[in-house]
Amino acid sequence: GNSVTQMEGPVTLSEEAFLTINCTYTATGYPSLFWYVQYPGEGLQLLLKATKADDKGSNKGFEATYRKETTSFHLEKGSVQVSDSAVYFCALEEASGTYKYIFGTGTRLKVLA
Amino acid sequence: KAGVTQTPRYLIKTRGQQVTLSCSPISGHRSVSWYQQTPGQGLQFLFEYFSETQRNKGNFPGRFSGRQFSNSRSEMNVSTLELGDSALYLCASSLGGGGMNTEAFFGQGTRLTVV
Repeated sequence: GNSVTQMEGPVTLSEEAFLTINCTYTATGYPSLFWYVQYPGEGLQLLLKATKADDKGSNKGFEATYRKETTSFHLEKGSVQVSDSAVYFCALEEASGTYKYIFGTGTRLKVLA
Repeated sequence: KAGVTQTPRYLIKTRGQQVTLSCSPISGHRSVSWYQQTPGQGLQFLFEYFSETQRNKGNFPGRFSGRQFSNSRSEMNVSTLELGDSALYLCASSLGGGGMNTEAFFGQGTRLTVV
């Protein structure tokens, strides 16, 4: 079945460091891919998405490119801030129009001032 | 534009009881999905409703049920609660019409504790 694999956390970085959180997926077809972020005590917020191969999603300085050849959707940010500390989830929509998301286990990011 | 509203935010129940959680989607959204989030299993899909019909269901026992009303508001019910049902239950709303805009917008969740 479909699945999403994320790098284990926690990831601890200093402010202004470069961030990469790896995400790979297994799926039939070409699912839409998403990154969500969860701040303490909150629900999930959509960070960015990509709906087809080679698409690049971007938002708030975060980017991720849909790589079909490596089945990956790695999240990157050039310079992290303390306010980026949160848990990041990679997800795919199991099949177009199902609204059924498969989530990775989440990666906790801690940014130190 | 108001976001997804889940009530209550926190709930404590005893084993064997039942519980009903409520979700009001973003205005104009017709799809509502429910997820269970636990430290051990992560985020797991429960079910999805569109126009009062369940379109998709995850791998949960029949004790977990839901429904959607004509105004798109949704409720989920868990009967005969078990300790393992303690979790954060998240509701997500989407436009529901397919196409490219299938992203889900999540509420803050209901934290259920079963004692």
